[in-house]
This record gives sequence, structure tokens and C-alpha cells, in this order.
Amino acid sequence: QGQMQQSGAELVKPGASVKLSCKTSGFTFSSSYISWLKQKPGQSLEWIAWIYAGTGGTSYNQKFTGKAQLTVDTSSSTAYMQFSSLTTEDSAIYYCARHWDYWGQGTTLTVSS
Amino acid sequence: QIVLTQSPAIMSASPGEKVTITCSASSSVSYMHWFQQKPGTSPKLWIYSTSNLASGVPARFSGSGSGTSYSLTISRMEAEDAATYYCQQRSSYPWTFGGGTKLEIK
Repeated sequence: QGQMQQSGAELVKPGASVKLSCKTSGFTFSSSYISWLKQKPGQSLEWIAWIYAGTGGTSYNQKFTGKAQLTVDTSSSTAYMQFSSLTTEDSAIYYCARHWDYWGQGTTLTVSS
Repeated sequence: QIVLTQSPAIMSASPGEKVTITCSASSSVSYMHWFQQKPGTSPKLWIYSTSNLASGVPARFSGSGSGTSYSLTISRMEAEDAATYYCQQRSSYPWTFGGGTKLEIK
């Protein structure tokens, strides 16, 4: 059974950057597409980008180009999302998902001074 | 981008009642996917490629549609079906989700 364990909650200041992680197990990481999604409390889901773990190939929602950067470490079967130039609008829960059957538990990001 | 409009936004149903949730796309899409999310938990894939039930999804659920109009149907509502359901399209970038339908049990 696949699992995706996301890193813990983050509290960061406006203008800072943060790197969220998503450690996977139970499936072949190198042949997986992994998406990252954003969800604000009480709101719908927003797709940020996907990465193909085998090659590192990516596709981004244009809204998040320059804001989010996806990478993977195949040696540890871990996916990462770096989020830069943070504003209060970036405060949300962020999910990683292996298309589309396995999901992480979500990481709460709070951007506040 | 393709905008997905779900209706109703909120609804309640009695046990045993038939439930239909609709998702209207601003442009034609090839398939529609559906996710279920309960409070405080991650979304779960529920129906993929319009009409295929994800693993473990009860047979009382079904999906249908084409073009710009899709629906998720529960033949007989059960208490465990209370959740928020989101439609998603992956026919055109950026992939988008509907606003969600919150389904409550009466």
C-alpha cells in the first residue's frame, strides 16, 4: 500500500522561502507522476504542478511559475516543492499526490509576520 | 483556463434517497474526475475518467457525462457518503477543480 508522508506545519515570514517535502513508500517512485495542490480553508483545490519522478520533467500551472519549484530525490523516494517570495495569500494546506490514488496528509503553511 | 461549476454547492439527502451532483465545464473536456473529501482529511480519488469507480468505492456511486456536462450519482444515500465532492478536469492546462458540493445527511 502506497504512502506519502509530508513534512510538518510551517510558520514563515512574508518574503521568505520554504521547502516542503513528501516522502513516499510502497510504490515505484521513479515511474510516478506527483502533483502538488493548494487548498485554503473552506475552499476548493488548486493544482500547482506535477513532476515525473523518473526524469524530473515538470508542468506548472502558469499562476505558480516562478513561485513554486518541484524537485525529486529518487534515492530517498522524496518529492519536494520549494515556494518562494511568500505572501499571506500563500497560507494554505499543501498536498502532494501520486496521480491520483495516494495522497499525503497535507502540510499547513502559515505566512505571517 | 477551463472553469468547472458544480451544483448544488450544498445539499442534504435522506438515507436511501437518490443524489445527483452536476459539474458544468466552460469548454468541452474529454473526461471528468471526481474526488471525495471529508473534514480534516485529504481528498480521495472517487471516480476517474467520467465513469470508473476508484478502488473501494461502493457500487451505489456512478458517473456519467460528456462534453461540458458531467454528473456524479448516488443511487441510495448512506450516512458515510456525507462529504464534499469535487470534479476535476485534466483535458487542458491548467488542470482545474470545481468549487465543490457539500453533501450532508438529513
